[in-house]
Amino acid sequence: AQSVTQLDSHVSVSEGTPVLLRCNYSSSYSPSLFWYVQHPNKGLQLLLKYTSAATLVKGINGFEAEFKKSETSFHLTKPSAHMSDAAEYFCVVSDQRTDKLIFGTGTRLQVFP
Amino acid sequence: DTGVSQDPRHKITKRGQNVTFRCDPISEHNRLYWYRQTLGQGPEFLTYFQNEAQLEKSRLLSDRFSAERPKGSFSTLEIQRTEQGDSAMYLCASSLVLGLVSDADEQFFGPGTRLTVL
Repeated sequence: AQSVTQLDSHVSVSEGTPVLLRCNYSSSYSPSLFWYVQHPNKGLQLLLKYTSAATLVKGINGFEAEFKKSETSFHLTKPSAHMSDAAEYFCVVSDQRTDKLIFGTGTRLQVFP
Repeated sequence: DTGVSQDPRHKITKRGQNVTFRCDPISEHNRLYWYRQTLGQGPEFLTYFQNEAQLEKSRLLSDRFSAERPKGSFSTLEIQRTEQGDSAMYLCASSLVLGLVSDADEQFFGPGTRLTVL
C-alpha cells in the first residue's frame, strides 16, 4: 500500500527566507508524487508532480521538489517565501491502478513579515 | 469558468436528514473522484467513476452513502440518515485519462461542499 508522511504539521518562516516542507513516501513501486496547496476557502491546487522523469521537479510560484529514492523523500522547497505562500500544503501519492490520491496530513505554512 | 463546480457550497442539516451534493466536472474529463476532508486532516478517497461506471468505493463509504454519475457527466453524492460524524468538507475532482494506463494525470478539484450535521 502507498502512503505519505508529512514530518511537520506547522512550519513558520519569515518573508524572504527559504521554505522546506518535508515528506516521506512509502510505495512498493515507482510512485507518482504530488504537492497540492490549499488556501483558506479555496480549492486544492496542484503545485507540481513527479512521474519518474527528472528527479528535480519545478512547479508553480517558484516551488520545486526533489525525488530521492534512497531516502524515500519528496521534500518541497522554495528559495524565498512570500506572504501569499501562507497556506496548507499536502504531499500526495497516486494509486497506480486507480489514480486515486492518497494525501498526507498536511503542513500549515505561516509566513511572517 | 470551466473548472470543477460543486453545489451547494455549504449545507447545514439536522441529524437523521438526507442530503445530496452535486459535482460538475470539467466537461471533457472522463474520471470523477469524491473525497472527504475533516478538520485538520488531508482529504480521504471515497469513490470514483470512469465515465458512468463506479469502479471503486472506499470502506469509508458506508451503506448510507451512495454516488451516481448517470450520464458520465455530473455526479451526485447522497448521504442518508446523516450523523454528526458525517460533518466534513466533501471534495470532487476530475481528470482526463487516456488509454488503459495513465501517467497519474492531474486531478482538478472543486471548491467543496461543507456539511455540518447538528
